[in-house]
Amino acid sequence: QKEVEQNSGPLSVPEGAIASLNCTYSDRGSQSFFWYRQYSGKSPELIMSIYSNGDKEDGRFTAQLNKASQYVSLLIRDSQPSDSATYLCAVSLGYSSASKIIFGSGTRLSIRP
Amino acid sequence: GAVVSQHPSRVICKSGTSVKIECRSLDFQATTMFWYRQFPKQSLMLMATSNEGSKATYEQGVEKDKFLINHASLTLSTLTVTSAHPEDSSFYICSARDDRGRNQPQHFGDGTRLSIL
Repeated sequence: QKEVEQNSGPLSVPEGAIASLNCTYSDRGSQSFFWYRQYSGKSPELIMSIYSNGDKEDGRFTAQLNKASQYVSLLIRDSQPSDSATYLCAVSLGYSSASKIIFGSGTRLSIRP
Repeated sequence: GAVVSQHPSRVICKSGTSVKIECRSLDFQATTMFWYRQFPKQSLMLMATSNEGSKATYEQGVEKDKFLINHASLTLSTLTVTSAHPEDSSFYICSARDDRGRNQPQHFGDGTRLSIL
């Protein structure tokens, strides 16, 4: 079983709709959770971080964490063509800067006009 | 926000050349930095964890003599691909987490696209 699992997609969403990206992780001791966006040929950029159960909103993005279900999701409201990218879910097993962050393989999101 | 600078952004060189890639944290200290490799249409693969003042920790299957890592200061890690061959052509990306505080995310450099002819 992979440590961080994501549906590879592609996920196609019409412009203006809500895109929902999901991720599950295997280690119950995981402490921190992150969503990164990666455009083709570019390095990942941080979108959201979440540490406790519940929702965290930042602009059009909402991250949701459910530690009991080992599940983290990202909602993108009012999807724009510029949101078309690969979204990487990442999980850290520890608090410190030395803790490895495990990445999922990413979900490719395509926003159709 | 935290910035990680990676240099060079692109390298094209002949087979057998050694290539050095630098990764700097510009506004924070990072005792630990990470090196990834990504082949086209594939996911990030962690190659090694770079530790300031000590040896790097390599992931299974990554040749430490092929990919030399030096982390000489709290803001600089280097990856040297020794005697590079065409199969080493890839996108190499470094990242770092701020030493201050807990639960810090990883911040990525812009990556180095390495092409070995």
